Amino acid sequence: AQSVTQPDIHITVSEGASLELRCNYSYGATPYLFWYVQSPGQGLQLLLKYFSGDTLVQGIKGFEAEFKRSQSSFNLRKPSVHWSDAAEYFCAVGPSGGYQKVTFGTGTKLQVIP
Amino acid sequence: DTAVSQTPKYLVTQMGNDKSIKCEQNLGHDTMYWYKQDSKKFLKIMFSYNNKELIINETVPNRFSPKSPDKAHLNLHINSLELGDSAVYFCASSSERGEKLFFGSGTQLSVL
Repeated sequence: AQSVTQPDIHITVSEGASLELRCNYSYGATPYLFWYVQSPGQGLQLLLKYFSGDTLVQGIKGFEAEFKRSQSSFNLRKPSVHWSDAAEYFCAVGPSGGYQKVTFGTGTKLQVIP
Repeated sequence: DTAVSQTPKYLVTQMGNDKSIKCEQNLGHDTMYWYKQDSKKFLKIMFSYNNKELIINETVPNRFSPKSPDKAHLNLHINSLELGDSAVYFCASSSERGEKLFFGSGTQLSVL
């Protein structure tokens, strides 16, 4: 069965500092990997996704993530955090192709301090 | 125009009542979903429909019944509401390839 682990429940960073959110997945084949962001009172919005090819993927809002098969990881990074990045971040894994179910991690809440 | 819209945004009700949440998407997607997010923010899929056909039905009490009158709509009806049903329910849609989920803004259900 597929699963996702986000080991950090809550992270606090200073505005302008770099950010890395960790994600480890378990999946038997080549997965589809996603990062979603949820602002308070809102639904989730896709930041970026990895399906194949270049293991470093760029997303919206200046985020990037790197797929490392050997470590079963898909960590999200941003070189300089803005106050508006404060939100809940979810890593997700799904089987390649089709509308089969996507499994979400438990989320990491990001707090940005001035 | 909102891509995935669900109503109501808030729903407060008594135990034992029956309630419905409606969802509509104007993206032309073939697949729609219901997700439940609990108080710890854990997001779990409940159902998925593709072209009005049920394709994913997770271990959900049969008090929950999805209905898809057409591929742009997926409603969720809940019978005999229980305290444990309190959560945020998200509707989502995707193209058939499932490459990206588009979420509604959620319905916060509180059962008293």
